[in-house]
Amino acid sequence: GENVEQHPSTLSVQEGDSAVIKCTYSDSASNYFPWYKQELGKRPQLIIDIRSNVGEKKDQRIAVTLNKTAKHFSLHITETQPEDSAVYFCAASRGGTSYGKLTFGQGTILTVHP
Amino acid sequence: SAVISQKPSRDICQRGTSLTIQCQVDSQVTMMFWYRQQPGQSLTLIATANQGSEATYESGFVIDKFPISRPNLTFSTLTVSNMSPEDSSIYLCSVDTGTGLPGELFFGEGSRLTVL
Repeated sequence: GENVEQHPSTLSVQEGDSAVIKCTYSDSASNYFPWYKQELGKRPQLIIDIRSNVGEKKDQRIAVTLNKTAKHFSLHITETQPEDSAVYFCAASRGGTSYGKLTFGQGTILTVHP
Repeated sequence: SAVISQKPSRDICQRGTSLTIQCQVDSQVTMMFWYRQQPGQSLTLIATANQGSEATYESGFVIDKFPISRPNLTFSTLTVSNMSPEDSSIYLCSVDTGTGLPGELFFGEGSRLTVL
């Protein structure tokens, strides 16, 4: 089955800096890669996703890049703000009837210091 | 998006008992899933709740331990049977509404179970 590795496990940055979280996956058939943000005691929320037919996607301060050859994808947050502090999870699935069958990475605790 | 309500939000259970978690969605959805999040850990898919038929379980999860029902397109239940302390987790219902792009999952707030 799929295995998703996520690094780093913790990340501490100053407000205004950029943050990068990286994930690798093992299943070459995976073609859907979402990122979720989970604040303490809250539900995971989808913040951005990318599908295998594109290499990069951007939404305001958040961007995701995908390298299918190397089987890795990354989340980039620019101009970080204290409210970006949360746990971020990457995930992967095969799509088709398996879109919602996500394999999650271990999570990254992002702390943005004012 | 979708409004997903889970009950109970939290509970403390005794070893050997069973508890049923309910998931109610405010609209009909195509796909419903149950995930588990152990304390301080990531999320793991337990099963896909299929409307009108038996759930599809992932490796490591079995129907006898986690029976699931989905009688219609807006409601599902997950039962955690014969609980042990290792079952202490947050159990999350998630849905794909089918109205957005495929794969865009919305999660309920979760049901936090503590087994003593």
